[in-house]
Amino acid sequence: KNEVEQSPQNLTAQEGEFITINCSYSVGISALHWLQQHPGGGIVSLFMLSSGKKKHGRLIATINIQEKHSSLHITASHPRDSAVYICAVAIIQGAQKLVFGQGTRLTINP
Amino acid sequence: EAGVTQSPTHLIKTRGQQATLRCSPISGHTSVYWYQQALGLGLQFLLWYDEGEERNRGNFPPRFSGRQFPNYSSELNVNALELEDSALYLCASSLRFTKGGYTFGSGTRLTVV
Repeated sequence: KNEVEQSPQNLTAQEGEFITINCSYSVGISALHWLQQHPGGGIVSLFMLSSGKKKHGRLIATINIQEKHSSLHITASHPRDSAVYICAVAIIQGAQKLVFGQGTRLTINP
Repeated sequence: EAGVTQSPTHLIKTRGQQATLRCSPISGHTSVYWYQQALGLGLQFLLWYDEGEERNRGNFPPRFSGRQFPNYSSELNVNALELEDSALYLCASSLRFTKGGYTFGSGTRLTVV
C-alpha cells in the first residue's frame, strides 16, 4: 500500500462544477503540499498545509491531521483548471523527504 | 524573492550520452532534493544534498549522481542515458531541518532519443 493515496485518479467535469480531490496518507507528517502540473508543463506549488484550511482564489485546501486526510476543492471550475493535481507529504520519521501521491488528472470540459 | 530555479527547462539527449541538470535553491535554503517523474509514474525520490554532502539516496542506479556547490546550488548528472531516463526531473529546496516547508522548481523535462 502506498503511503500517499489520491482519489479519484481521473476526474472529468463540466465547466462551473465544484471539484473535490482527496489525499489520504498513512505516515506521520509535518506538512502536506498540493501541486499542479499542466500537460507537458512543469510543477506549480499551490498550497502548503500543516493544519486547518487555506484559500487562494477559487482553490481551497483543507487538512485533518487526526484523520490523515486532505482535500483540494476548486469552485466554479474552468477548462484552464485542467491539469494533474499532486499531493505530497513531508514525513517526520526517518530521512527528511517528501512522498508524493500518484496524482489526479482533472479535465474540465467547456 | 526568486523561487527555486531549474535549468534547462527542456533537454534532449541521445542514448548513451550524459545529461547535466541544474538547480538553484531559494536564498537561505541549504538542502536540495531531486525527484524523477517517469512517464506514467508518480514522483520518486532521487537524491538529497545538504551542506555539500549527499544525505540520502533513493533506489536509483549509480548512473544517477550529483553534487552540491558551496553556494548550495546543485547538479544532477545522469550518465549512460537510457530511453527510460526520459522524465521530468523536479528539484526542491528547504532548510536543513525543515518542518515541512519545501519550495519547488518547475522541473526539467529530459527526453532521451
